Amino acid sequence: AQSVAQPEDQVNVAEGNPLTVKCTYSVSGNPYLFWYVQYPNRGLQFLLKYITGDNLVKGSYGFEAEFNKSQTSFHLKKPSALVSDSALYFCAVRRGNSGTYKYIFGTGTRLKVLA
Amino acid sequence: DAMVIQNPRYQVTQFGKPVTLSCSQTLNHNVMYWYQQKSSQAPKLLFHYYDKDFNNEADTPDNFQSRRPNTSFCFLDIRSPGLGDAAMYLCATAGGSTDTQYFGPGTRLTVL
Repeated sequence: AQSVAQPEDQVNVAEGNPLTVKCTYSVSGNPYLFWYVQYPNRGLQFLLKYITGDNLVKGSYGFEAEFNKSQTSFHLKKPSALVSDSALYFCAVRRGNSGTYKYIFGTGTRLKVLA
Repeated sequence: DAMVIQNPRYQVTQFGKPVTLSCSQTLNHNVMYWYQQKSSQAPKLLFHYYDKDFNNEADTPDNFQSRRPNTSFCFLDIRSPGLGDAAMYLCATAGGSTDTQYFGPGTRLTVL
């Protein structure tokens, strides 16, 4: 079964420092992987995705993610964290056939960037 | 701007009183999803539509129903809300040439 895991409930990082939010996946076939961010009382906002191609994917707000097939990971990274990056982050994998796609979400990681 | 819109943003209802949440989209996506999210947990898929084809998750309570009268609109009906149904309800769309799911801002439901 397709699934993603986010091993950390919370990540704390000082403003200006690099941040990493971890995600590992378990899929059959080629993975379609996504990162979303959620601010309080808001919907999920798309950050970036990996479908195929370069292992380093660049997305919105300066975020990037590295797809690592051998480690089955898709960690979210940013070189310099901002206080405004503090939010809830979800990794997701798409599964199913065309017309019946479903997106399976990890349990989420709360990022706190400290001033 | 093309987007996914949910109304209302906040809904208060009484225990057992039916409530309807609405979602509209200007993305012309053929797939629409309804999720329930509690207390910063992962969104839980309730059901989704591929065009007019309805796909219910096996563990979605019968209390939850959905309608999609056209491509742009989708409704979530909760026939008899219980206290345990208080949550954020998220609508999302996907389709066309994109692999990405786009979310609305959500409706926070309170059950008194």
